Order: sequence, then C-alpha cells, then structure tokens
Amino acid sequence: GNSVTQMEGPVTLSEEAFLTINCTYTATGYPSLFWYVQYPGEGLQLLLKATKADDKGSNKGFEATYRKETTSFHLEKGSVQVSDSAVYFCALSPNTGFQKLVFGTGTRLLVSP
Amino acid sequence: DTEVTQTPKHLVMGMTNKKSLKCEQHMGHRAMYWYKQKAKKPPELMFVYSYEKLSINESVPSRFSPECPNSSLLNLHLHALQPEDSALYLCASSQDVEYEQYFGPGTRLTVT
Repeated sequence: GNSVTQMEGPVTLSEEAFLTINCTYTATGYPSLFWYVQYPGEGLQLLLKATKADDKGSNKGFEATYRKETTSFHLEKGSVQVSDSAVYFCALSPNTGFQKLVFGTGTRLLVSP
Repeated sequence: DTEVTQTPKHLVMGMTNKKSLKCEQHMGHRAMYWYKQKAKKPPELMFVYSYEKLSINESVPSRFSPECPNSSLLNLHLHALQPEDSALYLCASSQDVEYEQYFGPGTRLTVT
C-alpha cells in the first residue's frame, strides 16, 4: 500500500538557519507529492506540490524535488524565520482516480529568534 | 482565490445535543471533503462528495451525518457525540476528485 514517512520532530532551529525536513514514500505507480503546512490553531495550507519525477515544487522560499530513485520529497528552505514555526505534513496521492491523500505523521518546526 | 470557509470556529456541545458544522467554497470546485484531526496527528478522511453526491464514507459512525445542499456548501450534522469525538474538523475542496485539495481553517469541537 501507499505510505509516507517523515522525520520525527520537533526540529528546533535559530532564525536564518537552513532547514531540511526529510520525507520518503512508498507507492505503487507514480504518485503526486505534496507538502502541507499547519500553523498553530489553523487548518492545512498547501505549501507546494510536484506531480512527476524530477519536478521541483517551490513556494515562499521552500523547495522540494520529487526524487523517484530515492523515493523522497525532502522539504528545504535556505533561511527560516520565526513565522515558519508550524507543523509540516508530507503527503502523496495516487495519480489515477480519487486522489486520496496519504499523510505522514507531521514534523513540528520551532524557530527561535 | 483558494479559500474554503468553515463555521463555527469553535463549538462546545453536550452528548445529547444536535449541532451542525458548515463549510463553503466559491471556487467552483466539484469535490468536497470532511476530515477529522486529533491533536498531534495528521487528518483522517471521513467523507467525500463528488458533484453533490456522497462517493466515499470511510466507515464513519452514524452519529456523523454529512449533507451537500449544493455545489458550494457542505454540512456535517452531529448528534449524540462522545467525548472522544472532540477534535478539529477540517473541510477541504478540490476542482474534482483527481486534483489537489484545499483546506479550510477547521472547527474545533469539544464534546462534554
């Protein structure tokens, strides 16, 4: 079946540090991959996506590249801000039929000034 | 505009109450979803509506009753809930079931 594995959190960084949150997946076929962000007390926001191998999704300084050979979709940002503190969910959906989202467990990011 | 709205933001209800959660989108999306999210967990899919018809029910107890009055609105009717039903209830929509989903801010439900 389909599954997503994320690194355990929390990830604690100082402002302006480099961020990597690891995400690997198991899927049949060629899924689409997503990162969602959930700020405290809010719903999920779609941060970025990639629909095929070697695609790079990017938004608000965050990037992730769809790596089929390593079945990974790691989230990166060059310089984090306090306002990036949130929970980040990696997710996949199959590319055929109903796009049921399969989420990772989420990684909490805490950025201190 | 990728906005999904949900009301109320917070809801406290007793186990004998009947209440409803409301979700609205004006993006012309034809698929709408209800999710339940417990603290420190990812969202769990409950229901999927496609073109105003219920297409997926993920074995949700009958005390949760969804309704899609039109293509922009999705309701979740609640009756005789249990304290363990306390959670954040998220609505989402997508252009169709084959497209990415956009989430609303959620309703924080507490059952006393």
